[in-house]
Amino acid sequence: ETGVTQTPRHLVMGMTNKKSLKCEQHLGHNAMYWYKQSAKKPLELMFVYNFKEQTENNSVPSRFSPECPNSSHLFLHLHTLQPEDSALYLCASSRDGAGAETQYFGPGTRLLVL
Amino acid sequence: DQQVKQNSPSLSVQEGRISILNCDYTNSMFDYFLWYKKYPAEGPTFLISISSIKDKNEDGRFTVFLNKSAKHLSLHIVPSQPGDSAVYFCAASVDTGGFKTIFGAGTRLFVKA
Repeated sequence: ETGVTQTPRHLVMGMTNKKSLKCEQHLGHNAMYWYKQSAKKPLELMFVYNFKEQTENNSVPSRFSPECPNSSHLFLHLHTLQPEDSALYLCASSRDGAGAETQYFGPGTRLLVL
Repeated sequence: DQQVKQNSPSLSVQEGRISILNCDYTNSMFDYFLWYKKYPAEGPTFLISISSIKDKNEDGRFTVFLNKSAKHLSLHIVPSQPGDSAVYFCAASVDTGGFKTIFGAGTRLFVKA
């Protein structure tokens, strides 16, 4: 138990569906992250939020839309995804995003796009 | 362009022996290196780290070595235990106006009993 939870753990969706991934951290951290992990590839940083403000968008397609209503919650809204978007989506948090901090990861949402 | 590379997708080691996981990087501006460990159905968890101003950091059975001239780091686990079987990710951090952590693709370690 890392203090970071993600729901749902598994998701199957069609290309025309709209769904959302949720992440919640109970660690009092101020920085939150979305990563994508495809098979046999490095974890790819997607978005970074620091004190609820987006500080990094790593050239992510607009069909992925993040939302950070407060420092404890992070959402990833999904719309008209492609099969190649099927992957493990990991959320992480860290104290304040400054310096080389340890990141605490959630268990991930395994997404399958049909 | 992968800045952090783990060229061995998997490694198999006998229980009690040493496991050596390797990582190469290309960006000489990286100033902090971390290793994370991931079990199936769980997120990565932090294992050990090293600052670029050091060449060795040890924590129990885990030691990380950094060779800056070769842009290479390695994680040594000794003695290896079956519970160490997991995927190990190498990561490096750099200040690009905000710190950014870049991960390798991971190496799957099998420790045989």
